[in-house]
Amino acid sequence: GESVGLHLPTLSVQEGDNSIINCAYSNSASDYFIWYKQESGKGPQFIIDIRSNMDKRQGQRVTVLLNKTVKHLSLQIAATQPGDSAVYFCAERRFNQAGTALIFGKGTTLSVSS
Amino acid sequence: GAVVSQHPSRVICKSGTSVKIECRSLDFQATTMFWYRQFPKQSLMLMATSNEGSKATYEQGVEKDKFLINHASLTLSTLTVTSAHPEDSSFYICSASLGQQNSPLHFGNGTRLTVT
Repeated sequence: GESVGLHLPTLSVQEGDNSIINCAYSNSASDYFIWYKQESGKGPQFIIDIRSNMDKRQGQRVTVLLNKTVKHLSLQIAATQPGDSAVYFCAERRFNQAGTALIFGKGTTLSVSS
Repeated sequence: GAVVSQHPSRVICKSGTSVKIECRSLDFQATTMFWYRQFPKQSLMLMATSNEGSKATYEQGVEKDKFLINHASLTLSTLTVTSAHPEDSSFYICSASLGQQNSPLHFGNGTRLTVT
């Protein structure tokens, strides 16, 4: 079935390192992807998005890469800080009878030690 | 930026009672709102899509009569968990879109429901 998933459930890094969080998707028709950060007990927070007509997009300290050939998405966080510790989800836009909805992957827990 | 407010943040109720959760878009009008459910250490699972002024569209496996959704205005959607059971205990999160083609969803901070 259609799904969005992540390669690793956990990632531990040292403060100052660069972090790379990966996501694989299965629906080749997907045209819009978003990375979210979720802290404990809170709702997801938007980080960065990318359309399928792009292969890279940069934000502040974050970069999203999209490889449509292998249906792979990654989030790179530069100079990771303890405040970046959270669960990261990629989400894929899906079209349904209601219009569109975001389908979430399983999440990667990022732990940053100082 | 777009702000979505969810209330209450936590609620404890007894089995058999009903609980209403509100989701408001504070600084924008949301023609579409989405309700998600999240179990501990799991991902967000889409429950239903709520369109203002029309019936909600539920995902497969979600009971319409148990999870009543009302989207009576462009800034408010409500989810009512009817005849709650302990297995309904979960983290419920709403989200809203600005409606533009490539706009991300903005999420509320969730409601932790515990059914005793």
